[in-house]
Amino acid sequence: AQKVTQAQTEISVVEKEDVTLDCVYETRDTTYYLFWYKQPPSGELVFLIRRNSFDEQNEISGRYSWNFQKSTSSFNFTITASQVVDSAVYFCALSEAESGGGADGLTFGKGTHLIIQP
Amino acid sequence: KAGVTQTPRYLIKTRGQQVTLSCSPISGHRSVSWYQQTPGQGLQFLFEYFSETQRNKGNFPGRFSGRQFSNSRSEMNVSTLELGDSALYLCASSLRHSWDYGYTFGSGTRLTVV
Repeated sequence: AQKVTQAQTEISVVEKEDVTLDCVYETRDTTYYLFWYKQPPSGELVFLIRRNSFDEQNEISGRYSWNFQKSTSSFNFTITASQVVDSAVYFCALSEAESGGGADGLTFGKGTHLIIQP
Repeated sequence: KAGVTQTPRYLIKTRGQQVTLSCSPISGHRSVSWYQQTPGQGLQFLFEYFSETQRNKGNFPGRFSGRQFSNSRSEMNVSTLELGDSALYLCASSLRHSWDYGYTFGSGTRLTVV
């Protein structure tokens, strides 16, 4: 069965520090998708990134970067020069794709509550 | 472009009652998924609808049901409410039934069962 582990329940850093959120996943499929979502206090899940299992390239988007390593089944998320507005709960998620690209539900990790102190 | 709209935003129900939650997807999106979020269990997949057909279902009892209309709007229903059904219910929509197209979430309906 698929599983996503976010071992860090809560992280607190001071503004401008870099912070890395860890995500480890388990799946028996060779084709799968990995996601990161941000959940601010308002409740909606804001999509950050999607990666399929065949694309191991790291990605950078502004202050955000993601490191995907199949060898360690990890998909870590780094925020550089953190800001107070980055405070939120961050979720890593996994979907095992049916052959042909069909979608099943997402399996989420428990989330990491990130607190950026001014 | 309007996002995913969920109504109502907040709901208080009594144990034993039933409840219906509504989700209007992004215009043109045909796939709608539902998730339950609780402090204890986290985010869990309920079901997904595509073109009015249920495509997948998570591990929830039969008290949880849903449907999708021809305009892609979706409703989920919970019958015989239990205290443990108190949760944030999130709806997500996608253009097609495929993770290649990504899913956009709504702000959720917070259900409290007393």
